[in-house]
Amino acid sequence: AQSVAQPEDQVNVAEGNPLTVKCTYSVSGNPYLFWYVQYPNRGLQFLLKYITGDNLVKGSYGFEAEFNKSQTSFHLKKPSALVSDSALYFCAVRGHNTNAGKSTFGDGTTLTVKP
Amino acid sequence: EAGVAQSPRYKIIEKRQSVAFWCNPISGHATLYWYQQILGQGPKLLIQFQNNGVVDDSQLPKDRFSAERLKGVDSTLKIQPAKLEDSAVYLCASSLSGSRVDTQYFGPGTRLTVL
Repeated sequence: AQSVAQPEDQVNVAEGNPLTVKCTYSVSGNPYLFWYVQYPNRGLQFLLKYITGDNLVKGSYGFEAEFNKSQTSFHLKKPSALVSDSALYFCAVRGHNTNAGKSTFGDGTTLTVKP
Repeated sequence: EAGVAQSPRYKIIEKRQSVAFWCNPISGHATLYWYQQILGQGPKLLIQFQNNGVVDDSQLPKDRFSAERLKGVDSTLKIQPAKLEDSAVYLCASSLSGSRVDTQYFGPGTRLTVL
């Protein structure tokens, strides 16, 4: 079975500092990895995905994520955090032993960026 | 391009009552998903449609939940009768083809409170 772990419920950073939101996964075969952001009373908004190729993936709003196969990780990063980045972030994985479109999500990490 | 539409946005009912949620996916998207998001957890797939056929309903509590997508466009999710533990946000998402590389686009969700 595929699974995702987001080990930190909460991440706090100061505005202008770099941020990292951690994600590790377990899946059969090559993984397909996704990051979403959720603002209060809103649905999930797609940020970026890793399918194949370059391990560093760039996405929306200056976010990027690094795929590390040996550590089975896909951490979300941003060089300089903004107060407006404060939200709930979800990592998701798809593998090869389930229905193709089925995503398994982590339980989310709340990012708070303080001015 | 219009996004995924859902209604109602909020619903409060008493246990044992019935409730229905509606979703209109992005035009041209063949695949439609219903997720349940319990507070503090990531979304969990309830059912996935490819056009008007069911691809995956393995986590749908079929004794009380039902869903349909009769003409391959709009979809309705019903709960009958509702239990306290059904209190959650119900998210609808759509994607172009349902493949592993597809991005899923989410609607704003319906927040259900069962009293």
